[in-house]
Amino acid sequence: QVQLQESGPGLVKPSQTLSLTCSVSGVSISGGSYYWSWIRQPAGKGLEWIGRINAGGRTNYNPSLKSRVTISVDTSKNQFSLILSSVTAADTAVYYCAMGGIWGPDAFDIWGQGTKVTVSS
Amino acid sequence: DIQMAQSPSSLSASVGDRVTITCRASQSISRYLNWYQQEPGKAPKLLIYAASSVQSGVPSRFSGSGSGTEYTLTITSLQPEDFATYFCQQTYGAPPTFGQGTKVEIK
Repeated sequence: QVQLQESGPGLVKPSQTLSLTCSVSGVSISGGSYYWSWIRQPAGKGLEWIGRINAGGRTNYNPSLKSRVTISVDTSKNQFSLILSSVTAADTAVYYCAMGGIWGPDAFDIWGQGTKVTVSS
Repeated sequence: DIQMAQSPSSLSASVGDRVTITCRASQSISRYLNWYQQEPGKAPKLLIYAASSVQSGVPSRFSGSGSGTEYTLTITSLQPEDFATYFCQQTYGAPPTFGQGTKVEIK
């Protein structure tokens, strides 16, 4: 059974860097044709895809965030991570990690529970 | 980016009702369309992929259809556990984008 779990600080100061990690269990992050994504959802609003990484380390980012986003993978820990720099209040959201690949890279059939990140001084 | 417009944004329905939610894309997306269900405080759950394929474990009362720019999610005989928010998502163009959601509430 594949499971994803986000972790990271719940509070980040404006202009600082947000760092989150997604721990994956039940499947090897470096095996198979899977894609590992980050998605966020401001309170009461819709979903925004941030970006993804594949097993080979190839990344794709949302152009709206590309200048501030880095997604990386640590195969030894079976984790992947999100770094978002120069955060503002607009980055306050629940951040989800998700797995795609069985029905397409961006058909997310497994999600983490989400972690709430607030940007505030 | 391809824009996804869902309608209605919310609806009230009773248990046993048939519910239809529509998603319109700003350009043809060739059935690269997924539907998700999100209960309050939970992560979204994939219901339908490729416009009409039902994800394993999803009840048969959920179905999807459509082509080109217009797609629908239908719930036949609404059940208490179906009261949630539903999102469509296109994966034809980059970046993948979501509709704004349709909240299904109890009448």
